[in-house]
Parts: sequence; structure tokens; C-alpha cells
Amino acid sequence: GAGVSQSPSNKVTEKGKDVELRCDPISGHTALYWYRQRLGQGLEFLIYFQGNSAPDKSGLPSDRFSAERTGESVSTLTIQRTQQEDSAVYLCASSWNFGSDHIQYFGAGTRLSVL
Amino acid sequence: GQQVMQIPQYQHVQEGEDFTTYCNSSTTLSNIQWYKQRPGGHPVFLIQLVKSGEVKKQKRLTFQFGEAKKNSSLHITATQTTDVGTYFCAGPRNDKIIFGKGTRLHILP
Repeated sequence: GAGVSQSPSNKVTEKGKDVELRCDPISGHTALYWYRQRLGQGLEFLIYFQGNSAPDKSGLPSDRFSAERTGESVSTLTIQRTQQEDSAVYLCASSWNFGSDHIQYFGAGTRLSVL
Repeated sequence: GQQVMQIPQYQHVQEGEDFTTYCNSSTTLSNIQWYKQRPGGHPVFLIQLVKSGEVKKQKRLTFQFGEAKKNSSLHITATQTTDVGTYFCAGPRNDKIIFGKGTRLHILP
């Protein structure tokens, strides 16, 4: 596609339920990043994929968070047993990661509200 | 580990005034990037600086990369209401990008 696509754009869920957030990166981009952004805050790094492998999972807040990427394309971020503090916008970005060029192209995000 | 610090966190300026945000890294950067996030939007890439002492301009925006490649600045001349948003700097660390916490710019009409 022309840009990074994220779905759903909005998700309202009840505390304790599991949610899946999807990211379709720009075709050919080898690197994919997930960030969390709470209201009025900066970008909180969650996880990074190079191809299908995740060299850096250091940002995942707890074992309730997991992510996978298949076919060097689509990625899914799963949050199990959601809590109210998980409410935030979850942003996905992709990049070429060629040499030192890590220019990131962001999707519009998924706004998650946990009631 | 490497950190990218941005100041100020918030800035209120009168429309027409100038604005500057500063970015500092604890280590030398191979390059630095700047992004803008409009309210309710997502970060959008503005520019990348690579060379020591590099200065680039985009209309009213001037970007500088320090001689030691450890700091950078973004200066906006004669701000307009369309400049409202959060400006992030970002630098590479290993195979990923580290973002500063951003400077939120408010324009007073």
C-alpha cells in the first residue's frame, strides 16, 4: 500500500479482555516498530522487528504484551487481560533500515480505551 | 544507554514570534531526524541531518546539527497557527531509533 495501515482505528474493550492490533507496513520495509503514546505524552518504544525476528523486545511493559510478524509484512500486537492503564494510542512505524537510514513512516494509530 | 533529551517540554509563543527546540544526545549520533506530530495526528518525518555542522532549511524552519554531532536544534521563524504540534528529534542506536520526549508548541493568536 501507499502508507502504513493500522486497524482498528479505535478499539473500546472491557478490562480483562484480550485485544489484537494490526499493522500493515509499507511494502518492502524490513523494519517495523510498535510504540505506545499516552495522552499528551511522548513515544514509548515497545518492540522492534527486523524481518520476522524481534531483536529488541525491551519495551514491552509486561508479559501481557506480545507481538509477532509474519512474512516480513503484517504485524500483530496482542494485549492480554487488558487493564485501564493500557489505554493509549498504539502507533506502528516501518522503515527501510538501510545503512543508517532509519526514517520512520507512521500509521495513524489505534486508539485503545479500556473501560 | 544512549538517551536523546529534548528541551523545552512545552513552549507557548505568540503568533509571529520565533520558536526553538533543542535536542541533546549522550553519545555521538551518525544522524538525527526531526518529526512533527499535529494534535490528534501521527508523527511525520520532516528532515534528516547527517553531516557535522549541517544546516538545512524548509521555508520558515531551520535545522542544525552540532559540530560534535551530539546536539541539534529546530528553529521556526515567525510562527503560524499551522505550526502547532509536538516536535520530536530522534537518533539511531544500533538498529533502531531513539526518540526524544518532544517539545509541544502552543501558538497564542
